[in-house]
Amino acid sequence: DVKVTQSSRYLVKRTGEKVFLECVQDMDHENMFWYRQDPGLGLRLIYFSYDVKMKEKGDIPEGYSVSREKKERFSLILESASTNQTSMYLCASSLWRTQYFGPGTRLLVL
Amino acid sequence: GQQVMQIPQYQHVQEGEDFTTYCNSSTTLSNIQWYKQRPGGHPVFLIQLVKSGEVKKQKRLTFQFGEAKKNSSLHITATQTTDVGTYFCAGPGNRDDKIIFGKGTRLHILP
Repeated sequence: DVKVTQSSRYLVKRTGEKVFLECVQDMDHENMFWYRQDPGLGLRLIYFSYDVKMKEKGDIPEGYSVSREKKERFSLILESASTNQTSMYLCASSLWRTQYFGPGTRLLVL
Repeated sequence: GQQVMQIPQYQHVQEGEDFTTYCNSSTTLSNIQWYKQRPGGHPVFLIQLVKSGEVKKQKRLTFQFGEAKKNSSLHITATQTTDVGTYFCAGPGNRDDKIIFGKGTRLHILP
């Protein structure tokens, strides 16, 4: 069975902190994605990775970076968290365009 | 960039009534996918349509892909409380395995 896990379901951080969101998939998928989901704005792509150490910016990469050192793990980094980054963050991996999502991390930046 | 427009944004229906959400694109789509996200949950893949005019059914859910492959619809017959959630359509992005999501239709069922 397909499984995508995210390191935290809920996270509270302070403005200016460096934040790491971790995502792990056990399906050997090459493609992994980070989205943020906000009311009325749907799912917006932050970054995606199509192979180890390979990444491409999505629609809203500003304020974020990513790391993919191993195929199964894709990390989203908020270099200096700001209140406008309070959101639900969803990780996904994909095979043949079908995306499998993790449970999400709800991040609150105070 | 390519976009898929989804309407309506919200829909309230009485339990037992039918529900339809629509997805439109200005360009021809090679395929379209549908996902469902339950309240508090994450999007889950429902189906992919590839052929012009294709119709697929999953129990009370009927998915259609337009003849011109620029629009799609999801119709739920006789809604139940388990149908509550947000339904997203998604079209292909500018490279393999990238997809573009519509903004979703949130379905609320009135008892």
